[in-house]
Parts: sequence; C-alpha cells; structure tokens
Amino acid sequence: GESVGLHLPTLSVQEGDNSIINCAYSNSASDYFIWYKQESGKGPQFIIDIRSNMDKRQGQRVTVLLNKTVKHLSLQIAATQPGDSAVYFCAETPMFSGGYNKLIFGAGTRLAVHP
Amino acid sequence: KAGVTQTPRYLIKTRGQQVTLSCSPISGHRSVSWYQQTPGQGLQFLFEYFSETQRNKGNFPGRFSGRQFSNSRSEMNVSTLELGDSALYLCASSLVGGSGDTEAFFGQGTRLTVV
Repeated sequence: GESVGLHLPTLSVQEGDNSIINCAYSNSASDYFIWYKQESGKGPQFIIDIRSNMDKRQGQRVTVLLNKTVKHLSLQIAATQPGDSAVYFCAETPMFSGGYNKLIFGAGTRLAVHP
Repeated sequence: KAGVTQTPRYLIKTRGQQVTLSCSPISGHRSVSWYQQTPGQGLQFLFEYFSETQRNKGNFPGRFSGRQFSNSRSEMNVSTLELGDSALYLCASSLVGGSGDTEAFFGQGTRLTVV
C-alpha cells in the first residue's frame, strides 16, 4: 500500500492493552478537533471529534481528551485490536476560517498492535 | 449510500504537463475540500468549495486550482507539474460545513506520480 509517512513516531502495543495517542495542536484559536484513522491505501476515516467547550468525549472504545491550557489532545483506545493498526492524525479547525472544512492536520502517529 | 469517489486512483505524468483530478462527493453533500498528502509535509489543505464557490484556500501556488459544478462534483487542476507535486491527493465532502454538519468524509485519493 501507499506510504503515509516514512518517519512517523510509532506506538507499539499488545493486543488487548489500552493505547494513548497524543497530539499537540498549534492554534489557540482552534475550536474544533477531530481524530482520523488512516489505513494503508485508504483515505482518512473519522473516529471522533470534540469542540473546544468540552474537555472529554467518549465513543465506542475511544475517548478524546482536550486540554486547552497546554494545547494538547489525546486519543485513548480501549482494548486495542489488530484492526486498530493504522496511522492516526489529529486535526484542528481554526476559528473564523470561514467554515469547518479547512482542517489543519498533525504529523500523525503510527499505531502497531501486536498479538 | 456511496462514499466519496475520486478518479483516477493512480496517475503518472511528466514534468511540465498538467493534470485534472475528479471528486464526486457523497450525495447531498455540498462542501468539497482538497488535501495534498506527502511523506515529508503530511496532510495539507489545498482549497474548499461550497455551492460552486471557493470558500477557503491553503498556501499553495497558483498552479493549483479547482472548481465545483452545480451537482457538487469537483475537479482540481495542477498545471506545469513539478517532481514535488507527486503526492496522494485527497478529497473530502461534508453536508454544509461552517456551523452546520461538520464531519468530513474522505475519498481514497488519487496517487499522482510526476516523472
């Protein structure tokens, strides 16, 4: 498949463990944040989002935490499975960008799940 | 319903040529955004179209252009291709963007190789 990023930081976890992927965002004016998962040969897939008026949001097996004070975002995946192996991107949308479709992506983290 | 469709999936062009990529959004979606993905620069926003108008633009040279048709389908064009334009070009669609529905759905991308 296509290479998403040759030198991405990699997080290696055992199947069944919890994973935490971190992201530092750049713009203090950003008010909407999203986590995407990208598998080899595919486009990014939406996982979960959070607005700046929230600190935490939970989905199915995933939780996103937002710390606006230090401009930090994290994605927690519970009971990580082999199918979770992919590259994960955080994305932010600056306020007053004229729309929420100008996404600023982080560099990405490769998650490798081992049986 | 059908997802975001990008054509072609793969393309090889020679330096100096021009190329046109196509994106068909999810039915009913009116906002289409384009992104360039490279191993070195990651995912970078190119531009966004809504109701046939460019609403947002990233920091790319004028060789990169786009348009949207009345049926929301979008095309992007790159003229005078350079080796550095080799990348995966991704299209994302969403219902409205702005203060409305914000989730962006990505296509599988067009892999452009410039030789």
